[in-house]
Amino acid sequence: EADIYQTPRYLVIGTGKKITLECSQTMGHDKMYWYQQDPGMELHLIHYSYGVNSTEKGDLSSESTVSRIRTEHFPLTLESARPSHTSQYLCATGTGLGYTFGSGTRLTVV
Amino acid sequence: SQKIEQNSEALNIQEGKTATLTCNYTNYSPAYLQWYRQDPGRGPVFLLLIRENEKEKRKERLKVTFDTTLKQSLFHITASQPADSATYLCALDMDSSYKLIFGSGTRLLVRP
Repeated sequence: EADIYQTPRYLVIGTGKKITLECSQTMGHDKMYWYQQDPGMELHLIHYSYGVNSTEKGDLSSESTVSRIRTEHFPLTLESARPSHTSQYLCATGTGLGYTFGSGTRLTVV
Repeated sequence: SQKIEQNSEALNIQEGKTATLTCNYTNYSPAYLQWYRQDPGRGPVFLLLIRENEKEKRKERLKVTFDTTLKQSLFHITASQPADSATYLCALDMDSSYKLIFGSGTRLLVRP
């Protein structure tokens, strides 16, 4: 049974659409993260949160936004999807002594 | 800026042999280093964490070393199995801010 859930697993969407990638965790952790990973490439931190109402941008600039209204929920939104947003998006949570990742959302923008 | 280097070439070994993967980093002195396994299309899975004051850490067939002078960690899998085939990532919290930076990973292929 997974402790961190991401939906959808796969998403193909047209250019200009607004999308929200869902991430929920049942571990009760304050810290949550979003990483972006292209095939065969390294993970890049795009957003993180240290608790409710706390969100920060990561090292890789991203046009996406995040919110943290509840401890367990950390959704990522793209207001207007573009083909350059095609990638895998991975959500994680942890205490600093090891992250638990979700299965990821593979986003394709056509 | 901080940089993490892992061998980008795949490591191809025979089943039963020991696999050794290398992680080098520059500039900072992280308090700990972590290793993850990633299978295609999946999120990374945490394997081991080693602190700066620990020289070696073991977990079943896995062994990690951490040399803060060389700024290097070695990750060993003994008695390797085809099921160990995956990409292995090292990760560092560069500034103790609880933000992990990942290397690009090394792909391990274990031949039966």
